[in-house]
Amino acid sequence: GAVVSQHPSRVICKSGTSVKIECRSLDFQATTMFWYRQFPKQSLMLMATSNEGSKATYEQGVEKDKFLINHASLTLSTLTVTSAHPEDSSFYICSAVQGPDTEAFFGQGTRLTVV
Amino acid sequence: GQQLNQSPQSMFIQEGEDVSMNCTSSSIFNTWLWYKQDPGEGPVLLIALYKAGELTSNGRLTAQFGITRKDSFLNISASIPSDVGIYFCAGSQGGKLIFGQGTELSVKP
Repeated sequence: GAVVSQHPSRVICKSGTSVKIECRSLDFQATTMFWYRQFPKQSLMLMATSNEGSKATYEQGVEKDKFLINHASLTLSTLTVTSAHPEDSSFYICSAVQGPDTEAFFGQGTRLTVV
Repeated sequence: GQQLNQSPQSMFIQEGEDVSMNCTSSSIFNTWLWYKQDPGEGPVLLIALYKAGELTSNGRLTAQFGITRKDSFLNISASIPSDVGIYFCAGSQGGKLIFGQGTELSVKP
């Protein structure tokens, strides 16, 4: 299957700082990328949908000014957690698709810990 | 946010036993997917179902897409220790996935 690379795999940051997470499709062009958040022992919850060259669409309850998403190219989307707080500590996972209703390929996830 | 109802939440079984888990939804999905997630990793696709009533196998795994498009089950036959992990069902809406709560499987050798 296609490869989606997410970086970093884990990051620890101080409260109040910002953290950027990258999601890259390595061997295909991703028209759409999705960002999910997963708290311990819980399911994956969709945060936002990112289309190349346009603004991301955020799910209800997700603060767009806090979770900045940029999808500048067909192979790269970034999620920036701004002014991180301990409650933002979570596992963040991206997925990428080549087109509508095609298989979604997931990155390895990023474990964010805010101290 | 919207979720699928997945059961059971956890299972403790003996190696060699068969396993069954299922998902239901109040919404219709055109595609149902089953994933396995190992600790600290992203989910990996096991089986994708595209047609109502479809029964699909992948090795020891068998999954069916309900006729109403609102439910699905996953069976694992003759479980082995490496089957340990969390299994998620997911319904697809234009590529974005709505996940079930997950079934945590433990296998005793």
